[in-house]
Amino acid sequence: DVKVTQSSRYLVKRTGEKVFLECVQDMDHENMFWYRQDPGLGLRLIYFSYDVKMKEKGDIPEGYSVSREKKERFSLILESASTNQTSMYLCASAAPSSYNEQFFGPGTRLTVL
Amino acid sequence: GDSVTQMEGPVTLSEEAFLTINCTYTATGYPSLFWYVQYPGEGLQLLLKATKADDKGSNKGFEATYRKETTSFHLEKGSVQVSDSAVYFCALPTSGTYKYIFGTGTRLKVLA
Repeated sequence: DVKVTQSSRYLVKRTGEKVFLECVQDMDHENMFWYRQDPGLGLRLIYFSYDVKMKEKGDIPEGYSVSREKKERFSLILESASTNQTSMYLCASAAPSSYNEQFFGPGTRLTVL
Repeated sequence: GDSVTQMEGPVTLSEEAFLTINCTYTATGYPSLFWYVQYPGEGLQLLLKATKADDKGSNKGFEATYRKETTSFHLEKGSVQVSDSAVYFCALPTSGTYKYIFGTGTRLKVLA
């Protein structure tokens, strides 16, 4: 069974903390993505990576950074968490073709107090 | 640029009712089109897809036809069940990039 796993389902952090969200996929996919999901706004792309150590900004990269040291792992970093980063964070992976679906993890609901 | 427009929800139906969720798109060329479903507390999962014009994707009783004339990919199901209650997203890959665009999602609630 193919899988995308995320390190936490729920996370509570304080303003100013550095936050790491981890995502691991077991499908040997080149492409990996981080989205945030907010009511009424759907999914918004934060960053994506098309290869190890390669990354591109998505639509809302401000306040976030990413790391991809190994093909199977893609980390999202909030350098200094703020309350407006309270959200659901979804990781996905895909093979490199527009015919291919994205596979999603279960999501991490992050609350920043 | 490329975009996806979905009908706003929530949609509330009785069990066994007919479902339509509208999705229209603008895109360069003829991309693949996808419907994803998100059940409560879970991530998104692929429901169905179509890779070229006039293709019909189908799964779990849901269907959608890729219509290039109307740039639409409406989701339909003849008889919904309570277990279909979820949020549905229309999506397409943007041309020339690795990125995908998702609609804002349509919440469906089916009442017994």
